[in-house]
Amino acid sequence: EPEVTQTPSHQVTQMGQEVILRCVPISNHLYFYWYRQILGQKVEFLVSFYNNEISEKSEIFDDQFSVERPDGSNFTLKIRSTKLEDSAMYFCASSSRVNTEAFFGQGTRLTVV
Amino acid sequence: KNEVEQSPQNLTAQEGEFITINCSYSVGISALHWLQQHPGGGIVSLFMLSSGKKKHGRLIATINIQEKHSSLHITASHPRDSAVYICSISNFGNEKLTFGTGTRLTIIP
Repeated sequence: EPEVTQTPSHQVTQMGQEVILRCVPISNHLYFYWYRQILGQKVEFLVSFYNNEISEKSEIFDDQFSVERPDGSNFTLKIRSTKLEDSAMYFCASSSRVNTEAFFGQGTRLTVV
Repeated sequence: KNEVEQSPQNLTAQEGEFITINCSYSVGISALHWLQQHPGGGIVSLFMLSSGKKKHGRLIATINIQEKHSSLHITASHPRDSAVYICSISNFGNEKLTFGTGTRLTIIP
């Protein structure tokens, strides 16, 4: 069964460092998303991506964040200068069309120290 | 802004019990999703529904659009059903999901 894969599963980084979280969405999907979940809190939307551009972003997704689909298969989330409060589980998701079932990756646990 | 409320926040039950988790939301939606989050953190989609009722194995999801309410039922619950169950919604013309806080279900053998 096709699945969304995320790497790495866990990343520890120093405050102020750049991190890139990687995702391989399901191959025929067209809509891609990043969500995050701070420990003990609910899942929050960060950004959606369609047709090689951001279609919507939340207030959380400030200038420190960027997304890219560099090669037609990977979908990456970059945090330019990490802060302690960026520590969270980051989920990538993809769907074939708007308002259809979203498939989630297993998540990347980011710890900023 | 559409808020999503779930109840209960925590639920502990004996194996075999019938489980109900509730979800309510504040404005009209295009679809409601029930998700399962395992202890390791991964999220799995269980149901997506916009009306009526869906069934998959021992899981049943219902939605009442007029009352803006959905329920997830588990029949003959089993310890392997222990997880966090999350209700989320999508709005018309908007791709993102808005999540509830989740219900932590623990099934005791």
